[in-house]
Amino acid sequence: EAGVTQFPSHSVIEKGQTVTLRCDPISGHDNLYWYRRVMGKEIKFLLHFVKESKQDESGMPNNRFLAERTGGTYSTLKVQPAELEDSGVYFCASSQGRVPYEQYFGPGTRLTVT
Amino acid sequence: AQKITQTQPGMFVQEKEAVTLDCTYDTSDPSYGLFWYKQPSSGEMIFLIYQGSYDQQNATEGRYSLNFQKARKSANLVISASQLGDSAMYFCAMIPYKAAGNKLTFGGGTRVLVKP
Repeated sequence: EAGVTQFPSHSVIEKGQTVTLRCDPISGHDNLYWYRRVMGKEIKFLLHFVKESKQDESGMPNNRFLAERTGGTYSTLKVQPAELEDSGVYFCASSQGRVPYEQYFGPGTRLTVT
Repeated sequence: AQKITQTQPGMFVQEKEAVTLDCTYDTSDPSYGLFWYKQPSSGEMIFLIYQGSYDQQNATEGRYSLNFQKARKSANLVISASQLGDSAMYFCAMIPYKAAGNKLTFGGGTRVLVKP
């Protein structure tokens, strides 16, 4: 069974540009999450999809971040326009919809904004 | 709000010895899950072990065991017979099950370096 995949693995962009991160969850997992770890800080929750619906987007830092999950399959996270403080590692995770809700993570996308 | 504290930013352990990674948590939710993840230098987050707040026994998974002390709100990870491949960052995390959603709250992590 394939795990969670993320693309790209690395992205280097200039301030003001746009970047789109993609996540493909484990097949059959309705729950999809985005997390972020900026340098030296803790891993922080961004948002949670159940199928195509946003269940919780309380962690999204501002309206420069837009997440979608068309058709309840893969998800994209767009940052537009990117700022220096957006640099970090963006993780995607997926889980089945029952306790204990253990989440399986992708390898992450390392975003560097210069 | 939930909080996870990992007080050991880094530690060395001799190969084949056991190591204990500390984790304390704070939540008002009576039902919750505690998780440990490993992040090797390659970057991926690997799920290691889970402990439910109502579980009577401490969780074990191979060389990993969780020393769960509910009254003290601690969930320490014990790695027995350390191997060189255990060198990584380790994160403690929790999900409060009564709260809306099931997002993970993470601690700051502990970096473990296994010496040959």
